[in-house]
Amino acid sequence: KNQVEQSPQSLIILEGKNCTLQCNYTVSPFSNLRWYKQDTGRGPVSLTIMTFSENTKSNGRYTATLDADTKQSSLHITASQLSDSASYICVVTLRSGGSYIPTFGRGTSLIVHP
Amino acid sequence: ETGVTQTPRHLVMGMTNKKSLKCEQHLGHNAMYWYKQSAKKPLELMFVYNFKEQTENNSVPSRFSPECPNSSHLFLHLHTLQPEDSALYLCASSQEQGYSYEQYFGPGTRLTVT
Repeated sequence: KNQVEQSPQSLIILEGKNCTLQCNYTVSPFSNLRWYKQDTGRGPVSLTIMTFSENTKSNGRYTATLDADTKQSSLHITASQLSDSASYICVVTLRSGGSYIPTFGRGTSLIVHP
Repeated sequence: ETGVTQTPRHLVMGMTNKKSLKCEQHLGHNAMYWYKQSAKKPLELMFVYNFKEQTENNSVPSRFSPECPNSSHLFLHLHTLQPEDSALYLCASSQEQGYSYEQYFGPGTRLTVT
């Protein structure tokens, strides 16, 4: 069964600190992996996307890594800000014939305290 | 804002009511999606429309009925819902169908079924 597992489920850090969120998946064949940020009361917004051949992608203070061999990805947030408080969702896309099927993780809830 | 709007933002309905959710995208995209987001569960893809044609129905109960009159508008008609249908319903659009294309999400409609 294709699954995406994220850890930790929730995380509290102090403003200015770094943190790393994890995503493990069993989806195969793999097309791409995205990290989304979802603020409370809003829809998800894409942060990064990586294909099989990419192992790192940055977007400002957000850096995603991918190890396609171990089927693991991480999202590293540097110098956290209060506005980083949100849910971070990992989405792995399965390619099946001509269709692309997304499998979503449950998300990691991040709270940044001043 | 992402260019995808949803109305209403909040909806409370009884199990015998009929209501509709509306989504509009101003991005010139050709594909639109409905997702369900329940508490502590991953996002679930419900329906996909590409160039106004429904291309995916992810085993959604018939009490949910989508309609896509043109590439810019998407509706979700609701009737005789159950309390377990209470969730955040998210609409998204992308340039074309296929999850290599970035999806832009609306803010969602928070639905409560009483």
